[in-house]
Amino acid sequence: DQQVKQNSPSLSVQEGRISILNCDYTNSMFDYFLWYKKYPAEGPTFLISISSIKDKNEDGRFTVFLNKSAKHLSLHIVPSQPGDSAVYFCAASEISSGSARQLTFGSGTQLTVLP
Amino acid sequence: NAGVMQNPRHLVRRRGQEARLRCSPMKGHSHVYWYRQLPEEGLKFMVYLQKENIIDESGMPKERFSAEFPKEGPSILRIQQVVRGDSAAYFCASSRGAEETQYFGPGTRLLVL
Repeated sequence: DQQVKQNSPSLSVQEGRISILNCDYTNSMFDYFLWYKKYPAEGPTFLISISSIKDKNEDGRFTVFLNKSAKHLSLHIVPSQPGDSAVYFCAASEISSGSARQLTFGSGTQLTVLP
Repeated sequence: NAGVMQNPRHLVRRRGQEARLRCSPMKGHSHVYWYRQLPEEGLKFMVYLQKENIIDESGMPKERFSAEFPKEGPSILRIQQVVRGDSAAYFCASSRGAEETQYFGPGTRLLVL
């Protein structure tokens, strides 16, 4: 049972244009969402996060939008740069037993930014 | 300010051997998490530890896997009697508090022959 889904395994975008990566979730208890970027043979790098009490968070070229009623979030990158080419993971968390915040990850989207 | 450190980066074991993976959290972080990534999949939570305590091991296989985070030294993920299905990338993350952002290490890639 996949609680966090990234339905597009890959996305190609022209340099300078907008990249939009999508993520859907099923667990209504999730209250915190994050995006990580991952290069091959490296660990995930934190990009941006959003709490469920907000619907938008912006940091430089990166903006995350949260639509709670649709259980959907998206990451916008504008303008896209070739260095943004990587796998992007959506992750979600909830307060579980012991106040642990285990992250539930999607399967990732490979973004390729073409020069 | 060093990030999360993991070693070894690559580990090759034969079936039946033991694998020990180490993780040193970022300075000032006392919360450690282990995740496993199988090929073509996302990361899956395994265990969450604080110093000398296992807080949540709901994602850990019931047999052969154990984790510790001693008072001194790195966190250790131990896999006994490895099988081919254990081949994966194992990532450690740390955070300052339980409700703060988790930062990941570079991972240990385990290959079981």
